[in-house]
Amino acid sequence: AQSVSQHNHHVILSEAASLELGCNYSYGGTVNLFWYVQYPGQHLQLLLKYFSGDPLVKGIKGFEAEFIKSKFSFNLRKPSVQWSDTAEYFCAVSTRSSNTGKLIFGQGTTLQVKP
Amino acid sequence: EPEVTQTPSHQVTQMGQEVILRCVPISNHLYFYWYRQILGQKVEFLVSFYNNEISEKSEIFDDQFSVERPDGSNFTLKIRSTKLEDSAMYFCASSEVSGATEAFFGQGTRLTVV
Repeated sequence: AQSVSQHNHHVILSEAASLELGCNYSYGGTVNLFWYVQYPGQHLQLLLKYFSGDPLVKGIKGFEAEFIKSKFSFNLRKPSVQWSDTAEYFCAVSTRSSNTGKLIFGQGTTLQVKP
Repeated sequence: EPEVTQTPSHQVTQMGQEVILRCVPISNHLYFYWYRQILGQKVEFLVSFYNNEISEKSEIFDDQFSVERPDGSNFTLKIRSTKLEDSAMYFCASSEVSGATEAFFGQGTRLTVV
């Protein structure tokens, strides 16, 4: 069965620190990859997505992620975090073979940025 | 910006009662989904819905669950006889095309079964 794992459950950083959140998936076929963010009290919002093409994708708010097919990874990065980045971050995968578009989520990473 | 809206934001119900969670997807979207997140656990897929029928459902989505699009705008999740373990945040989502575009999520309904 397909699965997604996020290595860090809770990350605490100071402002201006660099961020990297790990995400690995298990699926042998072609995938679409997503990072969603959930700010406190708000809905899940898309940060960035990868369907095909350049494996380095840029999203909103200065986030980027790199798809490394050989490692089944899609790590999220930001060079300098801000206090407003405090949120929960979810990596998700949908498989091209599924015609329903269902997403398989990782367990989420809580990011706390200290001012 | 168009958004997915869910009501209510919080529902408390007694065990064994029926609940209906409501969602209004984005108007030109064709694919609809329900996910849930039990506190401290992953967001889990429940069901997808397209062309007025279920296109995929997970093992969680047993006979106690049903979905409906009763009119052109609402998309509902019904739990027939709630159990304590149904307590979770339930998210509705919609997308224009399955998989090839992003899914847009609502704010969620927190269901508490007592």
